[in-house]
Amino acid sequence: GNSVTQMEGPVTLSEEAFLTINCTYTATGYPSLFWYVQYPGEGLQLLLKATKADDKGSNKGFEATYRKETTSFHLEKGSVQVSDSAVYFCALPYNTNAGKSTFGDGTTLTVKP
Amino acid sequence: SAVISQKPSRDICQRGTSLTIQCQVDSQVTMMFWYRQQPGQSLTLIATANQGSEATYESGFVIDKFPISRPNLTFSTLTVSNMSPEDSSIYLCSVADLSYNEQFFGPGTRLTVL
Repeated sequence: GNSVTQMEGPVTLSEEAFLTINCTYTATGYPSLFWYVQYPGEGLQLLLKATKADDKGSNKGFEATYRKETTSFHLEKGSVQVSDSAVYFCALPYNTNAGKSTFGDGTTLTVKP
Repeated sequence: SAVISQKPSRDICQRGTSLTIQCQVDSQVTMMFWYRQQPGQSLTLIATANQGSEATYESGFVIDKFPISRPNLTFSTLTVSNMSPEDSSIYLCSVADLSYNEQFFGPGTRLTVL
């Protein structure tokens, strides 16, 4: 079945540091890939997505490239801000056979000033 | 896109009581999902609720404990019955677009059971 593996957290960085959160997946075919973000006290919201191999999703300075050969979708940002402190989830979309989407365990990012 | 609201946003309940959480969506959607998120953990799917049919529960969740209603395409409720402290969690309502290419989430209901 489908699975998503995220790098273990939590991650603590200083403001303006470079961020990478690793994500690898197992799935049949070539599904879309997502990163969701959950800010403190809120629900999840879509941060970015990629729908096919070599696509790069980007939003709010974050980027992730769909790498079919390594089945990865690592999240990066060149210079993090305190406001980026949140939990980040890598995800596969709803799968009809499984009857659900697949989420990684989440990575908590704390950015210190 | 879809905008989802949940009520209540948080509650503190006594052991043995029940709480019903409401989920309202600003557009008609076929599939709605209820998740539980325990502190510092990922999402766990409780059940999928489609309008006009019984909810489909994931392993480890039963209808007697988490009854769900889905009376129309914009509304659903999840009841947490006979609560214990282990039910303390965030409960999230979610919907998927028709192509299932994105999910939208409500803000969550933060439940504490004493």
